[in-house]
Amino acid sequence: SQQGEEDPQALSIQEGENATMNCSYKTSINNLQWYRQNSGRGLVHLILIRSNEREKHSGRLRVTLDTSKKSSSLLITASRAADTASYFCATVSGANSKLTFGKGITLSVRP
Amino acid sequence: GAGVSQSPSNKVTEKGKDVELRCDPISGHTALYWYRQSLGQGLEFLIYFQGNSAPDKSGLPSDRFSAERTGGSVSTLTIQRTQQEDSAVYLCASSPPGTENEKLFFGSGTQLSVL
Repeated sequence: SQQGEEDPQALSIQEGENATMNCSYKTSINNLQWYRQNSGRGLVHLILIRSNEREKHSGRLRVTLDTSKKSSSLLITASRAADTASYFCATVSGANSKLTFGKGITLSVRP
Repeated sequence: GAGVSQSPSNKVTEKGKDVELRCDPISGHTALYWYRQSLGQGLEFLIYFQGNSAPDKSGLPSDRFSAERTGGSVSTLTIQRTQQEDSAVYLCASSPPGTENEKLFFGSGTQLSVL
């Protein structure tokens, strides 16, 4: 079963604009992660935020976590055509629990 | 060294045949995971190996699916009597010690097509 649900399902923006993607989840989490997938194959880990954190930055990425709303957002600033990919949020809940992925968001950045 | 390696990259088989998919994790990584991704879908958890502990098999969809990890390194996912609904990309991932379920390194996957 899927814990995280991303929103929107698809996003198309112009190069240079910011991209905001959202993830909602159902049960309390230990951590939430974002991954990128190019060409429908392997995923690349982007960033992890723990349940006691509210915001993290990594380069052009900014992740926020609102545990009261059970939601997270991923912001990509100054987007580039190379950011075109699918983005997935994934969560871990409870001890010794597996990492559960959402269905993903397709981001298209137009040159 | 190199990243997670999966073989074959593509596998076409006939319904009813058995298939074996192989995963070579990154050297030194103690945790190994298998996920399945159907077209346009998210990743479905299959199985998780962590060191010498008993694997978490809770995601295997039926008893036709099994996996083993030999010597704490290479893993093989076996699907017996394949069905058309088994068609998907099978992704393997590994994690270094101390980052289990916190940072997964994925292979490029095996695209399985069951005719």
